[in-house]
Amino acid sequence: EIVLTQSPGTLSLSPGERATLSCRASERIIRSYLAWYQQKPGQAPTVLIYGTSVRATGIPDRFSGSGSGTDFTLTISRLEPEDFAVYYCQHYGGSFTWTFGQGTKVEIK
Amino acid sequence: QGQLRESGPALVQPSQTLSLTCGVSGGSVSSGGHTWNWIRQPPGKGLEWIGYIQDTGSTYYNPSLKSRVSISVDRSTNHFSLSLTSVTAADSAVYYCAKGVLVWGKGTTVIVSS
Repeated sequence: EIVLTQSPGTLSLSPGERATLSCRASERIIRSYLAWYQQKPGQAPTVLIYGTSVRATGIPDRFSGSGSGTDFTLTISRLEPEDFAVYYCQHYGGSFTWTFGQGTKVEIK
Repeated sequence: QGQLRESGPALVQPSQTLSLTCGVSGGSVSSGGHTWNWIRQPPGKGLEWIGYIQDTGSTYYNPSLKSRVSISVDRSTNHFSLSLTSVTAADSAVYYCAKGVLVWGKGTTVIVSS
């Protein structure tokens, strides 16, 4: 079972700043099966990125995903007020168990 | 993409079985190439993947829950279901169903309490 470790636990930034979130896997992730979600209080998670770098439909281009192997990154180029939320990475795919990272909270500084 | 909606009892007695259903609209649980997932989130905590069933009928479960979990599909009513046995307070959570990674239900809150 692959374990995902997200860092930092909390990121304190101001609107307009760049956010860089890390997700490290305990083993190499094959075929780019890595997704990122945003979750706001009281709401279901919303997928932002899948396949490591593919933006989901309707997701602004200020969100981007990158990485390979065991190290993956979600970048928010310029934080908007609505971007302050909790972000999760997820390893997914067919024929094996899936897992989530523990989350990174992006809060207003 | 379709829509998903979770349904089931909001309160379950300790040691009993938690049973939830996910209704699928705008698509078919029989369509190929998809995984039909259950995920949960205890109050104030992160997301925990419970398991999924493939269109082939194959199932994969979180190792920590495997002995208590079962996921099934009912093609006649176009829904899939979660069964979690011998529940305790630690199973209290918001339970989500999802189609792959792209489509999630809004979630349903389940409390385990006498």
